[in-house]
Amino acid sequence: DGGITQSPKYLFRKEGQNVTLSCEQNLNHDAMYWYRQDPGQGLRLIYYSQIVNDFQKGDIAEGYSVSREKKESFPLTVTSAQKNPTAFYLCASKASGVRETQYFGPGTRLLVL
Amino acid sequence: DAKTTQPPSMDCAEGRAANLPCNHSTISGNEYVYWYRQIHSQGPQYIIHGLKNNETNEMASLIITEDRKSSTLILPHATLRDTAVYYCIVRVPGNAGNMLTFGGGTRLMVKP
Repeated sequence: DGGITQSPKYLFRKEGQNVTLSCEQNLNHDAMYWYRQDPGQGLRLIYYSQIVNDFQKGDIAEGYSVSREKKESFPLTVTSAQKNPTAFYLCASKASGVRETQYFGPGTRLLVL
Repeated sequence: DAKTTQPPSMDCAEGRAANLPCNHSTISGNEYVYWYRQIHSQGPQYIIHGLKNNETNEMASLIITEDRKSSTLILPHATLRDTAVYYCIVRVPGNAGNMLTFGGGTRLMVKP
């Protein structure tokens, strides 16, 4: 099956701990994105990457880090500097071409213990 | 990107058409209108997009007014599985990686 996968579905973080959320796509898409969604709210962009080995900060990048070593993978690390990490995290990807649209993964729900 | 305004919630009877409005009065000439929906605790799902002509696909129809200041997403025969939050976004394709910013959306409740 082609698509975007995120793991784990649920993730628990202890205070002061870094955690990494996985995002993989086999759609051969060039661009990948990470969004955060808080309860009852829309999506806010954390980071995005248009090509391998390159990424840009979004609107709320503080306390997060990413890497893009492979085209199909775009992991997000939530660092201890992120003071309010509890949220629903969504990964998306998009093919090249100005008229292409984004397709989303199923999401990871992060909870702080 | 232009700002959009949507009603926070709507109800629709199962089997009837659901018409979801979106105002985007500050839309510029090269901005497209995109619609996504999000079923509870899942990732958003792309529905349809358009520039100025009406568009139809297997999921929905998109009607854009002639002045492009508003649009309506039509689900012709709503089912219970169409209960979701629907997001209207206007965007210039290709801007800064073409990421999407979602507002609050319209929570559509389809009732039996």
